[in-house]
Amino acid sequence: QQQVKQSPQSLIVQKGGISIINCAYENTAFDYFPWYQQFPGKGPALLIAIRPDVSEKKEGRFTISFNKSAKQFSLHIMDSQPGDSATYFCAARGSSGYALNFGKGTSLLVTP
Amino acid sequence: SQTIHQWPATLVQPVGSPLSLECTVEGTSNPNLYWYRQAAGRGLQLLFYSVGIGQISSEVPQNLSASRPQDRQFILSSKKLLLSDSGFYLCAWSGQGNEKLFFGSGTQLSVL
Repeated sequence: QQQVKQSPQSLIVQKGGISIINCAYENTAFDYFPWYQQFPGKGPALLIAIRPDVSEKKEGRFTISFNKSAKQFSLHIMDSQPGDSATYFCAARGSSGYALNFGKGTSLLVTP
Repeated sequence: SQTIHQWPATLVQPVGSPLSLECTVEGTSNPNLYWYRQAAGRGLQLLFYSVGIGQISSEVPQNLSASRPQDRQFILSSKKLLLSDSGFYLCAWSGQGNEKLFFGSGTQLSVL
């Protein structure tokens, strides 16, 4: 079953706007939550990651917000640019696991 | 620096034919290695992972197999391809005890 649920499936944002992608998980053993960015025909690349001991992490225009009690985390892209148009995946992993559990992805289109 | 090589980039194979996809990692030793498959709307599905030479864990029973004949070489194989094997196959690696996952550029497999 899908251990990480991601929404929305697709998103259209105007240039300069804020893109928000949400993920939810059930397994409380998860302790590592990365976001990956994938451009067409390429492999995903790590964008930003967070651990549950903090509620927010910011790197440039990208911010992860984490709500441990709700078992939810989200990616915010501030001042979205056309170059941000890509597919974004959230993921989660427990300390005893080897592999990441990925969401189904969000296709983001930033219009000029 | 570490790099991951995956080939071929695209492959068209008839149903019933064999498959061999190869992945190699440079610049690190004893990596964890992974094969993922990406299908439209289904996100990234973990197929196999390996924590050492000759050690393979299968996440999804299917028509595929994996092998790790050398420390930094990971091979995905099939004796007879099915139409349902079509997809984008991604090799990835992570360091021992490191959650960060690094993906190759992928192979687009079309089974006709």
